[in-house]
Parts: sequence; C-alpha cells; structure tokens
Amino acid sequence: AQKVTQAQTEISVVEKEDVTLDCVYETRDTTYYLFWYKQPPSGELVFLIRRNSFDEQNEISGRYSWNFQKSTSSFNFTITASQVVDSAVYFCALSEDTGFQKLVFGTGTRLLVSP
Amino acid sequence: DAGVTQSPTHLIKTRGQHVTLRCSPISGHKSVSWYQQVLGQGPQFIFQYYEKEERGRGNFPDRFSARQFPNYSSELNVNALLLGDSALYLCASSSTGGPHNEQFFGPGTRLTVL
Repeated sequence: AQKVTQAQTEISVVEKEDVTLDCVYETRDTTYYLFWYKQPPSGELVFLIRRNSFDEQNEISGRYSWNFQKSTSSFNFTITASQVVDSAVYFCALSEDTGFQKLVFGTGTRLLVSP
Repeated sequence: DAGVTQSPTHLIKTRGQHVTLRCSPISGHKSVSWYQQVLGQGPQFIFQYYEKEERGRGNFPDRFSARQFPNYSSELNVNALLLGDSALYLCASSSTGGPHNEQFFGPGTRLTVL
C-alpha cells in the first residue's frame, strides 16, 4: 500500500534561515511519481515539483531545492533564505503507476516564517 | 488563462441533506479529480474523471458520486450528509489524466454540515 509520512507537523523559523521539510514514502511499485504542493492560507494547493522514480537528480529552482533518495525512500524539500511569504502548509504526495490519477498526500508540514 | 474554478465557495447544510459541488477545469484539460480535505489533514482522493468516464475511485461510501460533462466540467454529489462530511472539497484538473501529470487545484468549496 502506498503511504506518505511527513513527521514534522510544524516548523517555525526566522526570515533568512534555511529550512528542510522531510518526506518519506512507501510504495511497492517500481514506477511512481512524487510531488510537492504548497497550501497558503487561501486554501488553494499550488504545484511545486514532480519527480518520477527513475530520475534521482536533485533539482534547484531559485530558493527551492529537492533531494530525492530512493535508497531511503525520501523526497525532502529545502527552502534557502526563507521569507515570510513562504509561510504555508506544504504537502508531499505520491502517485503510483496505476493507470489513473490518484495522489496520496502526507499530513503536511506547517511552516511559519517570522520576520 | 483562468485556473480551476469551483462553486460555491462556502456551503452550510444540515445532516441528511444533499449537496452538489461544481468544478470547471483549466481550458484544454480533460481530467478532473475530486479530493476531500478534513481540517488538519492532507487531501484524500475521491474520484477521477477523464473524457466523461470514471477512471478511479477512492475509499468513499456510495453516498458520494460524480459526473463529468461534455465541456469537461464536473459535479460532485453527496447524499445523506453526515457531520463527518464537513471538509474542504478540492477539485483538480490535468491535461491527460495520467498518474505522472501534475494536477492543478481550485480554491475549494468549504462544506459545513450542522
């Protein structure tokens, strides 16, 4: 069965600090897809990144970076030099290669960035 | 371009009533999925529709049903509402509906059942 664990319920940092959000997943499939979404207070989930199981290259997009390690079933997300606007709930999600589209989400990590 | 739109924004119902939620996908997207997000939890998958056919169903009772129209918009229906149905209902659209596609979410409908 597929499962996503985000053990950090809430993280508080001060602006300009770096912060890493952890994500551990479970799946029996060899082909799967991992996602990160951001949910600001407005409630709308915002897509951040997708990774497939065959691509373990780390990715950097501006202040955001992602570290995918199949050996530890982890897909961690780092924000460098955090800003107040980064305050939100961040969700990691898994999609197996089932032929249809079903995201299994973790419980989310609430990030609070104070000035 | 307009994103995913949902209506209504908020809804208050009483136990036993029926509710219909609506979703319009991004123009050109043929897949619509529905998720339920209870306060403090991650979204849970309810349905996916692609080209007007149900592609996948989550672990929800038969009180939940959905359909997709020829213009790819979708409705989620919930019958015999229970207090536990109170949640944010999110609609997501994607271009082809495959498991690898990113899904784009609407702002959600917040349903309160009293």
